[in-house]
Amino acid sequence: ETGVTQSPTHLIKTRGQQVTLRCSSQSGHNTVSWYQQALGQGPQFIFQYYREEENGRGNFPPRFSGLQFPNYSSELNVNALELDDSALYLCASSLGLAGDHYEQYFGPGTRLTVT
Amino acid sequence: GDSVTQMEGPVTLSEEAFLTINCTYTATGYPSLFWYVQYPGEGLQLLLKATKADDKGSNKGFEATYRKETTSFHLEKGSVQVSDSAVYFCALSRTGSARQLTFGSGTQLTVLP
Repeated sequence: ETGVTQSPTHLIKTRGQQVTLRCSSQSGHNTVSWYQQALGQGPQFIFQYYREEENGRGNFPPRFSGLQFPNYSSELNVNALELDDSALYLCASSLGLAGDHYEQYFGPGTRLTVT
Repeated sequence: GDSVTQMEGPVTLSEEAFLTINCTYTATGYPSLFWYVQYPGEGLQLLLKATKADDKGSNKGFEATYRKETTSFHLEKGSVQVSDSAVYFCALSRTGSARQLTFGSGTQLTVLP
């Protein structure tokens, strides 16, 4: 069974540019969540996709957007990059939404540096 | 809104010492509570969880009990090992459509041989 994978591992962008981060969910999982982890902080929820639809969003501006594809892989897009967007971006997948056995499996993350 | 507060680190212990990392939360309703661990250069791994009051989660010698009366979920281990060195995150998930995780700021643990 393949776990959650993310690409690229590291990325350096310039302020004002746009970036796309990719995530492949664990086999059989139909829900993907994205989190931003600034240095020395806990992850913060960006948004979640369930069966290709956005299903909840955290306190992030509209320049953070996403997609989920029919194979349940996902993309996170960030437009007009700012210096504060420098962080580790984590993707997590889970099997559905319901029940007390809900568990998210995290990928290794993409380290984004904005200069 | 929901929030999680963890004891500030870093925490440095000698091998075989007793570990406690405090965690308290603020949330409406009855959240599920989690401890995640992050090893250097890796993503988060679920360590243990508890879904209702008085539940005890346990894994790899770590334990935490869901205390609704004190809104706490403190992590404990009786005898730490060097391999336990990592960052530990307390988190909660409320019942709802997104079931998003709300994390604390993390506690860096270093265990010395």
